[in-house]
Amino acid sequence: EVQLVESGGGLVKPGGSLRLSCAASGFTFSNAWMSWIRQAPGKGLEWVGRIRSKGHGGTTDYAAPVKGRFTISRDDSKNTLYLQMNSLNAEDTAVYYCAHYGDAEYFQHWGQGTLVTVSS
Amino acid sequence: QSALTQPPSASGSPGQSVTISCTGTSSDVGGYNYVSWYQHHPGKAPKLMIYEVSKRPSGVPDRFSGSKSGNTASLTVSGLQAEDEAHYYCSSYAGSNNPVVFGGGTKLTVL
Repeated sequence: EVQLVESGGGLVKPGGSLRLSCAASGFTFSNAWMSWIRQAPGKGLEWVGRIRSKGHGGTTDYAAPVKGRFTISRDDSKNTLYLQMNSLNAEDTAVYYCAHYGDAEYFQHWGQGTLVTVSS
Repeated sequence: QSALTQPPSASGSPGQSVTISCTGTSSDVGGYNYVSWYQHHPGKAPKLMIYEVSKRPSGVPDRFSGSKSGNTASLTVSGLQAEDEAHYYCSSYAGSNNPVVFGGGTKLTVL
């Protein structure tokens, strides 16, 4: 059974940093393209970014609102995905989900999310 | 404001059919056959229901179907059941510069 378990969310002050983790199991993580997606309170889903598998270069793409502030990385030895978030502001308040790409441009599995609140 | 436009709500009685629309542009929905739909019960992990416009993952009932015409994709739920009550989000590939766009979500209520 595929499992994606996010952790690391919490309350952080504006301008602060936070690192989220996503522990994966039930599939070959090293071959997987992974993504972070967020949902602000009362809003729809918003794609944050993705990381390709090492076999596809391990490169990353980011949405415009987070580019230059957020960094996605992975540790295939630990089957874990990370999201380093810097220079946080109130607009970054959201539930953050990690998701596993399917064979093409869709998300086959999602985690249950972790809440990040940016407030003074 | 979400890139793809969905109605905020939809409803139907048990056994009825309901269709949820998802309108984009020729740069996303209309340009690629990479529309997917996700079911989300609050507090739970979103679940893939439809991918590549009309394909159903293993385990998703055939009451769920997807289609696309021009810049608008649709999710149809036939034979509505109480457990279908959830939020539904569409998503589309939108090119290499902004790969993923989502709709604002539709809350489906089973009356």
